[in-house]
Amino acid sequence: DVKVTQSSRYLVKRTGEKVFLECVQDMDHENMFWYRQDPGLGLRLIYFSYDVKMKEKGDIPEGYSVSREKKERFSLILESASTNQTSMYLCASSSPKGSYEQYFGPGTRLTVT
Amino acid sequence: GENVEQHPSTLSVQEGDSAVIKCTYSDSASNYFPWYKQELGKGPQLIIDIRSNVGEKKDQRIAVTLNKTAKHFSLHITETQPEDSAVYFCAASSRNEKLTFGTGTRLTIIP
Repeated sequence: DVKVTQSSRYLVKRTGEKVFLECVQDMDHENMFWYRQDPGLGLRLIYFSYDVKMKEKGDIPEGYSVSREKKERFSLILESASTNQTSMYLCASSSPKGSYEQYFGPGTRLTVT
Repeated sequence: GENVEQHPSTLSVQEGDSAVIKCTYSDSASNYFPWYKQELGKGPQLIIDIRSNVGEKKDQRIAVTLNKTAKHFSLHITETQPEDSAVYFCAASSRNEKLTFGTGTRLTIIP
């Protein structure tokens, strides 16, 4: 069964801290995505990776960076967390060899105080 | 870039009635239109999708229609059941790897 896992369901961090959100998929998918979900704004793409060490900015990359050293793992990094980064973060993966369906993890609710 | 608008933001229907959610998109190059369902505490899950060479697609109680000329597409759920209560997102893509999502519709089925 297809599976995308995220390292934490809930996370509380202080302003200025460096935050790592980890995502792992077991489907050998080439594409991986990080979104943030906010009420009334839907899902907005932060970064996208289509291969190991390859990345592309999404619609709201400011304040974030990503790392993809292995095919199955895609990390989102908040270099210096701010309160406006309090949100639900969703990771997803897909394969260009398949239907392009994106498979989502359960999400990490991050609170920055 | 692509812009997707979704309406309504909330929708309540009696169990057994039909529900319709509508989306419009801006990029005429978009050719792939999926719908995702997000249940409480879970990530979104694909429920149906349509490509631009098709006007309508149906899967049991759910159907999607696409009007490329008007740049809008809709999700239709018939004979609604309590388990249909969820948040629904439409999306559009001109590159199949990347999706632009709508703002979501919270559907509540009233028993």
